[in-house]
Amino acid sequence: NAGVTQTPKFQVLKTGQSMTLQCAQDMNHEYMSWYRQDPGMGLRLIHYSVGAGITDQGEVPNGYNVSRSTTEDFPLRLLSAAPSQTSVYFCASREQGAQETQYFGPGTRLLVL
Amino acid sequence: GIQVEQSPPDLILQEGANSTLRCNFSDSVNNLQWFHQNPWGQLINLFYIPSGTKQNGRLSATTVATERYSLLYISSSQTTDSGVYFCAVSPPGGYNKLIFGAGTRLAVHP
Repeated sequence: NAGVTQTPKFQVLKTGQSMTLQCAQDMNHEYMSWYRQDPGMGLRLIHYSVGAGITDQGEVPNGYNVSRSTTEDFPLRLLSAAPSQTSVYFCASREQGAQETQYFGPGTRLLVL
Repeated sequence: GIQVEQSPPDLILQEGANSTLRCNFSDSVNNLQWFHQNPWGQLINLFYIPSGTKQNGRLSATTVATERYSLLYISSSQTTDSGVYFCAVSPPGGYNKLIFGAGTRLAVHP
């Protein structure tokens, strides 16, 4: 049971480039989410999904796209990277129900030049 | 939107000391959780505690929802307790959205 996995661990992009951050979980969780963490701040929710085919926006969705074609995978796409998107990105999953334990991936550190 | 404030922002302890971390929130919530981020960045769920008191080993948490605050108690601190502690809440009707505070950074020295 690998839990929540994220790839890559670290990425450098140039302004305007696109990329996809991968997130996968093997716990059959319905709920998955993406957060970004900036220095000295807590996590901010980008997008979330309550099941395959269902996604919704969080606090800071601009500049990011998501899709959920399977229960296991929840990729985050940056269509045209900007320096303001330099951050550490965390993916998380849990079973349905706010009281359920949320499991986080190890994070992806993204630097946009 | 709902505001989450944590105090103190930084805390330094000697091993064995006790501490209390506070989380204030600006509106009613139906979900409150505490998380620990270790020095390597890994995030762990500590408590789901929208109201009442829970204990897990040396850690316990209390939420007084009517007064809009939650407390995290760490007793007999160990160096492995170091890291950042986050409080996160969801507003009524928005339990799928967690709003995080800025965290309390704890350093426990031997």
